[in-house]
Amino acid sequence: GDSVTQMEGPVTLSEEAFLTINCTYTATGYPSLFWYVQYPGEGLQLLLKATKADDKGSNKGFEATYRKETTSFHLEKGSVQVSDSAVYFCALSVRDNYGQNFVFGPGTRLSVLP
Amino acid sequence: EAGVAQSPRYKIIEKRQSVAFWCNPISGHATLYWYQQILGQGPKLLIQFQNNGVVDDSQLPKDRFSAERLKGVDSTLKIQPAKLEDSAVYLCASSFGSNQPQHFGDGTRLSIL
Repeated sequence: GDSVTQMEGPVTLSEEAFLTINCTYTATGYPSLFWYVQYPGEGLQLLLKATKADDKGSNKGFEATYRKETTSFHLEKGSVQVSDSAVYFCALSVRDNYGQNFVFGPGTRLSVLP
Repeated sequence: EAGVAQSPRYKIIEKRQSVAFWCNPISGHATLYWYQQILGQGPKLLIQFQNNGVVDDSQLPKDRFSAERLKGVDSTLKIQPAKLEDSAVYLCASSFGSNQPQHFGDGTRLSIL
């Protein structure tokens, strides 16, 4: 079945450090890929997306490239800030027998220290 | 634009009781989703509506969970009777169509005693 695997957290970084959160997926068909972010006490927000192979999604300094050959969609940011502390979810959307299937990874908690 | 509205924000009930959650999606969004997010896990899709029709309810525990979107706008999710393992945050999301980015509400945190 369709699935998303993320690196386990929590991830703790100092401000201005480089961030990578790994995400790999398994899907039948050709999924769209997403990163969602959940700040403390808030709902999930779409951070970025990519709909086909080699697409790069970017937003707020975060980037992720859809790599079909490695079935990956790793999230990166060159210099994190304290305000980036949140839980990050990798997700996919793919058409299946029932319609459109949405699968979220378990989330990776990021803490950025000043 | 106004976001996805959910109520109540918190709910505490005893096991075997019934509970209902309400969701008002973003205006114009045809697709509505209900997710269950257990602590420490990612959201799990329970049911997806396209207007007032069910697109996918394959992961909805139909013996106790039900959902409706009668007029194709607001939606309610009901649990009857609740079990301890139903303790979770119930998220509602909406989008213009399937495969479009989803906009999430703040969720309803359900605690079962």
